[in-house]
Amino acid sequence: DVKVTQSSRYLVKRTGEKVFLECVQDMDHENMFWYRQDPGLGLRLIYFSYDVKMKEKGDIPEGYSVSREKKERFSLILESASTNQTSMYLCASSFRAGEAFFGQGTRLTVV
Amino acid sequence: GDSVTQMEGPVTLSEEAFLTINCTYTATGYPSLFWYVQYPGEGLQLLLKATKADDKGSNKGFEATYRKETTSFHLEKGSVQVSDSAVYFCALMGGFQKLVFGTGTRLLVSP
Repeated sequence: DVKVTQSSRYLVKRTGEKVFLECVQDMDHENMFWYRQDPGLGLRLIYFSYDVKMKEKGDIPEGYSVSREKKERFSLILESASTNQTSMYLCASSFRAGEAFFGQGTRLTVV
Repeated sequence: GDSVTQMEGPVTLSEEAFLTINCTYTATGYPSLFWYVQYPGEGLQLLLKATKADDKGSNKGFEATYRKETTSFHLEKGSVQVSDSAVYFCALMGGFQKLVFGTGTRLLVSP
């Protein structure tokens, strides 16, 4: 079974903190993605990566950065958390244009 | 850039009714098209996909046909069940393996 694991299910952080969200996949997938899911807005792509050390901006990259030093791990970084970054964050991975597998999500609250 | 537009919900149907959820896309080149489903309290999972024009994806009684001339990928099911109640997301994978989602359509099926 493909597994995409996100490091936390729930996270509460203070405004201005640096926040790290970790995602690990175990199927040797080239592609990895970070989305945020908000009611009425669907899934919005923050960043994606199609290879180690490669990263591409998605539709809403402002306030975020990413790191992919190893093929199986894709980290999302909030450099200085703000309340408008309170959201559900979803990580996914896929093999080329195949099915994407999703983690269970991290619900981040910034207070 | 690449984008997906799908009909707003919620779509409310009685059991055994016919379902259509509209999805249109904008993309350069020839993207792959997907429908994902999110059941209450669960993560996203692939429902069906199509990788080239005129392909029909099908799964669990759901179908969608890749229509290049109308840039559409509408989801249909002949007879819905209460267990089909979920949020349905249309998605495309275009250049650089970028995976983009629509805003989602909530389906509510009553007995």
